[in-house]
Amino acid sequence: GAVVSQHPSWVICKSGTSVKIECRSLDFQATTMFWYRQFPKQSLMLMATSNEGSKATYEQGVEKDKFLINHASLTLSTLTVTSAHPEDSSFYICSDSRDPSWDEQFFGPGTRLTVL
Amino acid sequence: RKEVEQDPGPFNVPEGATVAFNCTYSNSASQSFFWYRQDCRKEPKLLMSVYSSGNEDGRFTAQLNRASQYISLLIRDSKLSDSATYLCVVSGGYNKLIFGAGTRLAVHP
Repeated sequence: GAVVSQHPSWVICKSGTSVKIECRSLDFQATTMFWYRQFPKQSLMLMATSNEGSKATYEQGVEKDKFLINHASLTLSTLTVTSAHPEDSSFYICSDSRDPSWDEQFFGPGTRLTVL
Repeated sequence: RKEVEQDPGPFNVPEGATVAFNCTYSNSASQSFFWYRQDCRKEPKLLMSVYSSGNEDGRFTAQLNRASQYISLLIRDSKLSDSATYLCVVSGGYNKLIFGAGTRLAVHP
């Protein structure tokens, strides 16, 4: 069964609104979770590393004030896309790393965001 | 140069065919290597890890050549259900994963 869940699975919003995406690690306390973004026919690009109880680490080129990440508990990380614009429309996927020694990650089912 | 490069395909093959995908990576310090499968509009799912000694899982065989920084995936006796995008993935340190753009496979009857 699924080990990482995401909610919502898809969302359509108007330009200028904010959208929150939840990522839950099921039956595992994840101190670290990852947020990716995937545009059509492109690879998954890591946006940020979410750290429980501390600030997220953002990849180069990702605006931390636009993509707010909160990892307040060991099973929940949230990504809020603030003041969304059509160019933010993408597939957002989270993952957790249950075996840090091996780098394997388990992915959530993804959230498809469409900004009108 | 991209950190992980793959031929985007698509590879159109008949059922029963053998197909091979290749991938090169740029970071010689990478330690972990994977092939993930991604179906349309779905999340990636781990297909197999890749070891220097090569490894096989049923119809799938993966090889790693560290000297050439090259990874391969061989699929034998292709099934219709193998149609998907295959992602070459390399560790980037600090538990980060770096994904290739994927190679699309279409298996037809």
